[in-house]
Parts: sequence; structure tokens; C-alpha cells
Amino acid sequence: KNQVEQSPQSLIILEGKNCTLQCNYTVSPFSNLRWYKQDTGRGPVSLTIMTFSENTKSNGRYTATLDADTKQSSLHITASQLSDSASYICVVSSDKLIFGTGTRLQVFP
Amino acid sequence: ETGVTQTPRHLVMGMTNKKSLKCEQHLGHNAMYWYKQSAKKPLELMFVYNFKEQTENNSVPSRFSPECPNSSHLFLHLHTLQPEDSALYLCASSQAGTEGSPYEQYFGPGTRLTVT
Repeated sequence: KNQVEQSPQSLIILEGKNCTLQCNYTVSPFSNLRWYKQDTGRGPVSLTIMTFSENTKSNGRYTATLDADTKQSSLHITASQLSDSASYICVVSSDKLIFGTGTRLQVFP
Repeated sequence: ETGVTQTPRHLVMGMTNKKSLKCEQHLGHNAMYWYKQSAKKPLELMFVYNFKEQTENNSVPSRFSPECPNSSHLFLHLHTLQPEDSALYLCASSQAGTEGSPYEQYFGPGTRLTVT
């Protein structure tokens, strides 16, 4: 069964700290993996899209990694800011998009 | 976010009401999507339109009726809804393709629907 699992479900960190969000998937065939950021009451916004051959991709303070062998991805946030408080959704593209349930990140001052 | 707009942003309706959600994209895309997002659940794809033609319907109950008059506009007509239909309804657009295509999807802000 095609599934995308994210951990942790929720995370609280202090402003300025780094954090890493995890995404494990059992999706086949694999086309690409996407990370979205969703602010409360808003639609998701794309952070990165990674294909099979890409191991790492950065977007400012966000760095995504992909290990296609172990079917794992991570999203690392560096020097967190209050505006990073949001849900982060991992999505794996096969013949359809398989969505994870997201990680709810809260950054406190 | 202004590339895809949705109205209304919030909607409260009774189970016997009829209402419509509207989505408009200003990105020149030719594929549009409706998603349902319930609390603590993954996004659920409802419908996909490519060049105004419905190409996917994920077993959505008939009380949800989509309409795509052109590539820029998408509607979701609602009637006789149930309380469990309360959710955030998201519209998205992309270049044409299947749901799993590499083309990036751009989401609107969503309509928060409450069915009483």
C-alpha cells in the first residue's frame, strides 16, 4: 500500500534553533518527492521538489535530503524563525500524489 | 498565493442548503484540482480537470458537484451536505498533466466549510 509517514507529528523549538523533520514512504513507482509548508488557514506552498537522482536540495534556510534506497527524506530548518511556525507536508508523486499527514512545527521566542 | 484565489474563505451552511465554492487561477495553467483537508488527515484529492475536462473523480459523493467553465475557473457546488463534510477545501492549479506529474501545483488559501 502506498503510504507516506511523517515524524514527529508535532514539534516545539525555540527561535534560532535548528530542527529536522522526517518522511518515510512506501510508494512505487516513484516520480518525485515534494515538501510543502502550510501556514494556518492558508494553502500549502511548495518548498522543494526532488527527483530520484537528487540527494539534497536547498531553498534558503530549508534543506531537503532524499535517500531513494531507504525511501527516506528529511527537511532540515536552520536558524528557525517565528515565521517557520506551520505544518510541513511531505508528498510523494507516483501515478498520483500521496500526501503525508504533516508535522506541526511551533517556534517560540 | 495571489496566483490562485478562492471564495468564500469561510462558509457555514445547514445540511439542506445549496452553496458553491469558487476558485480562480491567474497563472495561465490548464489543470485545476479540488482537495479536501480534514483535521489530522492527509489531503484528499477530489477532482482533476485538464483543459476544462474532468479527468479524475476520486469516488466523491454526488452531493459534491464540480464545474469547470474554462481553464481559469473552477467551482464546487454543494448540496445536502453532512457534518462530516466540514473541512478545508483547497483548490490548486498546475500545467496540464496527471496528478502525479512533475509539474508543481499552486494552491489557493482554501475555503473553511462548516456544516451544521
